[in-house]
Amino acid sequence: AQSVTQPDIHITVSEGASLELRCNYSYGATPYLFWYVQSPGQGLQLLLKYFSGDTLVQGIKGFEAEFKRSQSSFNLRKPSVHWSDAAEYFCALTYLCYNNNDMRFGAGTRLTVKP
Amino acid sequence: EAGVAQSPRYKIIEKRQSVAFWCNPISGHATLYWYQQILGQGPKLLIQFQNNGVVDDSQLPKDRFSAERLKGVDSTLKIQPAKLEDSAVYLCASSFGTDTQYFGPGTRLTVL
Repeated sequence: AQSVTQPDIHITVSEGASLELRCNYSYGATPYLFWYVQSPGQGLQLLLKYFSGDTLVQGIKGFEAEFKRSQSSFNLRKPSVHWSDAAEYFCALTYLCYNNNDMRFGAGTRLTVKP
Repeated sequence: EAGVAQSPRYKIIEKRQSVAFWCNPISGHATLYWYQQILGQGPKLLIQFQNNGVVDDSQLPKDRFSAERLKGVDSTLKIQPAKLEDSAVYLCASSFGTDTQYFGPGTRLTVL
């Protein structure tokens, strides 16, 4: 069965430092992969997505992610973190089976940004 | 473009009471989803609609949860009767077909 694992429950980085959030997936074929961000009391905002093609995808707010098939990973990166990036980050995958678009989420990684 | 709208934003009820949530998807989005997000976890799909038909409700606890999308636009999710373990954020999302899902702000339900 398809699943998403985010190994890090909580990460703390200093403002201006680089960031990498890990995501691993389990699925027999190439899934569609997403990163969402959730600020406290808010819904999920799409940061970026990978469907096919170039394995390095650019998203909003300066985020990027790289799809590595050999490692079943889709890690999220940002070269310089801003205090406003503090939030919960979710990696998700979906696959298309007829009209079913069942999206599976990881448990999330909470990002804290130190001044 | 207006996003996905949900109401209410917060709801507190006693166990065994009933509650209903409302969702208005992005205009033109035929597919609508309801998710349950328990504190500390990622969202879990409860039900997916394509227009006014149910595509997937395999994870919906049908003994107490129900959902409808009668005219293929707005949707309501109902819990009757509520249990303590139903305390969660209920997220509605919509998509154009089976493309990217866009989420509303959610309804935070507390069952006492």
